[in-house]
Formats: sequence, C-alpha cells, structure tokens
Amino acid sequence: QQQVKQSPQSLIVQKGGISIINCAYENTAFDYFPWYQQFPGKGPALLIAIRPDVSEKKEGRFTISFNKSAKQFSLHIMDSQPGDSATYFCAASREYGTASKLTFGTGTRLQVTL
Amino acid sequence: DTGVSQDPRHKITKRGQNVTFRCDPISEHNRLYWYRQTLGQGPEFLTYFQNEAQLEKSRLLSDRFSAERPKGSFSTLEIQRTEQGDSAMYLCASSLGRPGRDNEQFFGPGTRLTVL
Repeated sequence: QQQVKQSPQSLIVQKGGISIINCAYENTAFDYFPWYQQFPGKGPALLIAIRPDVSEKKEGRFTISFNKSAKQFSLHIMDSQPGDSATYFCAASREYGTASKLTFGTGTRLQVTL
Repeated sequence: DTGVSQDPRHKITKRGQNVTFRCDPISEHNRLYWYRQTLGQGPEFLTYFQNEAQLEKSRLLSDRFSAERPKGSFSTLEIQRTEQGDSAMYLCASSLGRPGRDNEQFFGPGTRLTVL
C-alpha cells in the first residue's frame, strides 16, 4: 500500500529555472512532512520539513507548499543549479506516534542542465 | 564527523550466507531506525529502537532478519540465510526522539548488500 505518491518520476530543468516536485498522501494522521535529497551512493539528507500548522515554509532556495485539505505538498527549488541534480524524496510520518517512522515517496530524479 | 556511520559500506555475499551490519547513531540520539532501499525506490521502514528496546518491526522484516541495540548506542542488523531478494541498500537513521525539531531523522551513508 503506497501511502505517499510522488511525481514526476524524473525532471529536467535548465539552470536558473524552477523545479517543482509534488506529493500526495492518504493517511490523515500524518503530521510531519520532510523532503530528503539523495546523491548516488549516499544516504538521504534532510533538506526541509513542514508541519501542517503552516501552508508554506521557505529555506533559502527551497520552499515547501502544503495543502492540508487536498492532502498534497510540494517542493519548489528556485534558481535551480547543476549541484541540485540528485534524487528527491518526500516523506510523511506521525510525529507524535510511537515510532515516527517515515513513509517515503518513490523519488524524483532531478537533472539541472547548463 | 559526528553524523550517523555505518559499516561496512559494501557487502557482497553468496546466497545462504549470514551477514551483519553495524550502525553508530549520532551521540545522544535515543531513537534508531533501520530502512531498506531498493533501486529506484524510496526507503522502506524495517524496525525502530527507543534506546535499547526494539519497539516496532515492519512486516518486511522476516524471521531471517534480527536487529539489536544492546546498550542503547550502536545497533546491528543480521540477515541469516541471505537470498537474492535481500540485495538492497540498508540505511540507518537516528533522532533525538522528541516531537518537534528534535524528532528529525538523520541518515547514515548506508550499507549496500549484493547477494550472488
């Protein structure tokens, strides 16, 4: 059962452009939504996270938009750079649940071209 | 480096052999998680420890898998009688375990297992 659906599977953006990755979740008990960045051969690295008490969070060039009623959230990467080329995963968890285990999307492979 | 460390980084084994992986979490992190990631997929939760207690196991964790965290610090994940389907990246993560910012999970570099 896939509880977090992520799209697109891959994305090519020109340098300086905006990269947008979307996720949708099913479990209304989820209350913590992080995004992870993963380079080949490395573990996922936490990029930015949002909790449902706000609709948007911005850190540098990275912004999360959150729509609680639609059960959707998205990552926007402004002024995309070649160094942003990586795989991005959205995730969700019940922060106040016993385990706070993360449920991940299937990933988006981003390529930023010159 | 004070991040999560895992050993070994790569392991190649023959089907039927036993393998053991180690994870050292960030110091003072109470929670430790194991995830499995196959090619082209997101990590999937396997099991979780709060200090030395293993509190939850996924249905993905068959009886060939066992995990321990004996002193509430490092953890080991053992796979007995490995199968080709066990080939994956095994990721360890840790967190302070307090709701809010201190609940963020930090991942190690992973152990890539190849079963021939």
